[in-house]
Amino acid sequence: DQQVKQNSPSLSVQEGRISILNCDYTNSMFDYFLWYKKYPAEGPTFLISISSIKDKNEDGRFTVFLNKSAKHLSLHIVPSQPGDSAVYFCAAITGGTSYGKLTFGQGTILTVHP
Amino acid sequence: KAGVTQTPRYLIKTRGQQVTLSCSPISGHRSVSWYQQTPGQGLQFLFEYFSETQRNKGNFPGRFSGRQFSNSRSEMNVSTLELGDSALYLCASSPASGGIGYTFGSGTRLTVV
Repeated sequence: DQQVKQNSPSLSVQEGRISILNCDYTNSMFDYFLWYKKYPAEGPTFLISISSIKDKNEDGRFTVFLNKSAKHLSLHIVPSQPGDSAVYFCAAITGGTSYGKLTFGQGTILTVHP
Repeated sequence: KAGVTQTPRYLIKTRGQQVTLSCSPISGHRSVSWYQQTPGQGLQFLFEYFSETQRNKGNFPGRFSGRQFSNSRSEMNVSTLELGDSALYLCASSPASGGIGYTFGSGTRLTVV
């Protein structure tokens, strides 16, 4: 039972354009959603999070949008840079009761071409 | 400040052996979680420790165990290794249990032959 899904295994964009990474979830109890970036042989690095009571959160070039009714969130990167090329994971947690258990999607490989 | 430190970085073991992996959390962090990453299953939660107590456990067999010491350092142990245990094992620490501020280490790459 995969509660968090990233249906696009990969995404390729040109430098300067927008990258949009998508994530769907099934568990209505999730109340925080997070995006992590991961390079090979390294641990995931936290990018941005959003509480379920919000529908948008921005941090520099990164914006996360949450559509609770559709159980869908997306990460927008504008403008995309070659250094953004990595695997992006969407994760969800039931804050306060999950005790460390982040539920991750399968990841999307983002490639930004110069 | 120093990040989450995992040792060793790489490990090769034989089927049937056991292995112990170590994780030193960020200073002041009391919660340590462990994850297994494989190509087929992605990132899967193993367990979480807070103040030396296991607070949560994922869906893994009893061969996977862990513990946390009074200084918050944590170890995980896998007994009777199987080929399918080959994975990247990641540790994450957080100031408190149940929050969202998890910082990951670089992981230990375990290969079982």
